[in-house]
Amino acid sequence: NAGVMQNPRHLVRRRGQEARLRCSPMKGHSHVYWYRQLPEEGLKFMVYLQKENIIDESGMPKERFSAEFPKEGPSILRIQQVVRGDSAAYFCASSPPLAGGYNEQFFGPGTRLTVL
Amino acid sequence: GQQLNQSPQSMFIQEGEDVSMNCTSSSIFNTWLWYKQDPGEGPVLLIALYKAGELTSNGRLTAQFGITRKDSFLNISASIPSDVGIYFCGETSGSRLTFGEGTQLTVNP
Repeated sequence: NAGVMQNPRHLVRRRGQEARLRCSPMKGHSHVYWYRQLPEEGLKFMVYLQKENIIDESGMPKERFSAEFPKEGPSILRIQQVVRGDSAAYFCASSPPLAGGYNEQFFGPGTRLTVL
Repeated sequence: GQQLNQSPQSMFIQEGEDVSMNCTSSSIFNTWLWYKQDPGEGPVLLIALYKAGELTSNGRLTAQFGITRKDSFLNISASIPSDVGIYFCGETSGSRLTFGEGTQLTVNP
């Protein structure tokens, strides 16, 4: 059973370009979460999605950032007009349908975005 | 939002030593989680705690959920070089995870 897949693993963009980060959840998982980790810091929650629905986007910056999890295909985190401050590691996690209590979130290896 | 204070920020120990790290919060939590992050990888869950006072072990790792529900500690006994990494405490309120700032552990052979 493959784990959470993220690609690309490393992404370099110039200021003003767009960055697209992809995440394929574990098989059987219908919930996807995106987190951002700045250098020397912990992971910060960005958004929680189910298929075709954004459930909680309270951690997303109000501008330039968007996320989707379509019926078919991977979840996409999109950053428009990137700035140097967007340089970070972006992690995706997935979990099975919530059934009370805590459903473990399994993390992917991350995409390291560098903005020049 | 929730704020987790994790300490120490970093630790340098010799192989074979025991190590302890802890997290505190100003809020009461229902779940405490401990994750490890290896360089270049995503975090991996080590131990999950669900009840105040709960003490749980996973091999050489032991974690406890504080009685006040505002703190937790993680102990690693007889450390080995592969214990190197960043250890994060975390809590979950519903669906999102909130992480502490991490403890960077270095083990010298």
